Formats: sequence, C-alpha cells, structure tokens
Amino acid sequence: EPEVTQTPSHQVTQMGQEVILRCVPISNHLYFYWYRQILGQKVEFLVSFYNNEISEKSEIFDDQFSVERPDGSNFTLKIRSTKLEDSAMYFCASSESARATGYTFGSGTRLTVV
Amino acid sequence: RKEVEQDPGPFNVPEGATVAFNCTYSNSASQSFFWYRQDCRKEPKLLMSVYSSGNEDGRFTAQLNRASQYISLLIRDSKLSDSATYLCVVTGGGYNKLIFGAGTRLAVHP
Repeated sequence: EPEVTQTPSHQVTQMGQEVILRCVPISNHLYFYWYRQILGQKVEFLVSFYNNEISEKSEIFDDQFSVERPDGSNFTLKIRSTKLEDSAMYFCASSESARATGYTFGSGTRLTVV
Repeated sequence: RKEVEQDPGPFNVPEGATVAFNCTYSNSASQSFFWYRQDCRKEPKLLMSVYSSGNEDGRFTAQLNRASQYISLLIRDSKLSDSATYLCVVTGGGYNKLIFGAGTRLAVHP
C-alpha cells in the first residue's frame, strides 16, 4: 500500500534554530498538507499546497513557517526560528483529489525545541 | 463554540461491550465527515466516512444528522484492539481542509 514518508521521525533543536521537516507524498497525489499536534491536544491544520502554491493556511502558519516542493517528490515544512511552543508532532498528508476522502497521513515527525 | 466537540472520555469498557461516541460540529458549510482512529503517538488513520444515510462497516456504524450538526459512531462487540482515541473530523469551508475534534479515548479491558 502506498505510503507518505516523513523524515526524520524525531528532531531535537535549540530555540531559535531553523528546522526543515521532510515528506515524500504518494507519487500520484496532487494535494499536500501539513498538520501539527501538540502533546495532549487536537490535530490542527497548518497549510495545504496545490499546483506549487499554498491554497490555504491557518492562523498558526505565520511568517516563521514556509513550505516548498523543491523537486518532484519532496514536500518540506521549514520553521525559520523555532520557539519552545513549536514542539509538537508534525504530520504530512497527501490526497489525490480536492475532496477530503483519500487523505493519507505520514507517521509524523516529533519536533522537540529545547 | 469549538468547531468540533467530542466527549473527552476516557471510556473504559469490557470486551464485548457496545460503546457510542458523539460529536457536534459548528460549521454548517462542512461537506464531508469522518471518524479517524489514533493510537498513542501515531498518525490519524481513517476509520470510516460518514454519510447522511448512515453507514456500517462490520462492527462499526456511523450516523450523520446535518440538521442538528451531529455525528455518531457505534462500536459493537468491542475488542481489546479497539483501544485508541477516536477522532471526529469534518471538512472546513473548502473541500479538503480537515478539522479535528480533540478525540475520545477508548480503553477496552479483558
């Protein structure tokens, strides 16, 4: 079964450092997403990406965040200057169509900011 | 009002029990509705989509009431492997942004 692959599985970084979280979506999927889940809290939408541009973003996705699809396979989330409150599990997802059915989530990257 | 509200639980039930989860959502423009399952520190996994006509998948039955903006999930004959957090999920104003409830934790014991 096709998978969404995320690397690394766990990243520890110092406050103020830049981090890049990487994702390889399913190859024939056209829509890409990032969600995050702070420990003990709900899963929250960050951003959706289609046709090489952001289609929607949440209030959480401020100027510190950016996304990129640098080549035909990777989809990255960059946090420019990490804060303690950025510590969370970050899930990448992809879908074949604009409908919400058919989402596949990656296994997540646990980001710890110290 | 929260966008998606669920009972926080936990629900502790013996094997074989029937358990029901409830959920309400605030955005009447939501188009699609789902139940996801999340195991501890893992990604959410789609359990089933929810339709107005109701739908069943084995031991799982989901119902949607658009008028009252209410979604339910019934699990019959609970198994130990059903222990997880059950997430009620709806789409946002667009088609494909998912809005998650905080989840209801289920613990099934022998």
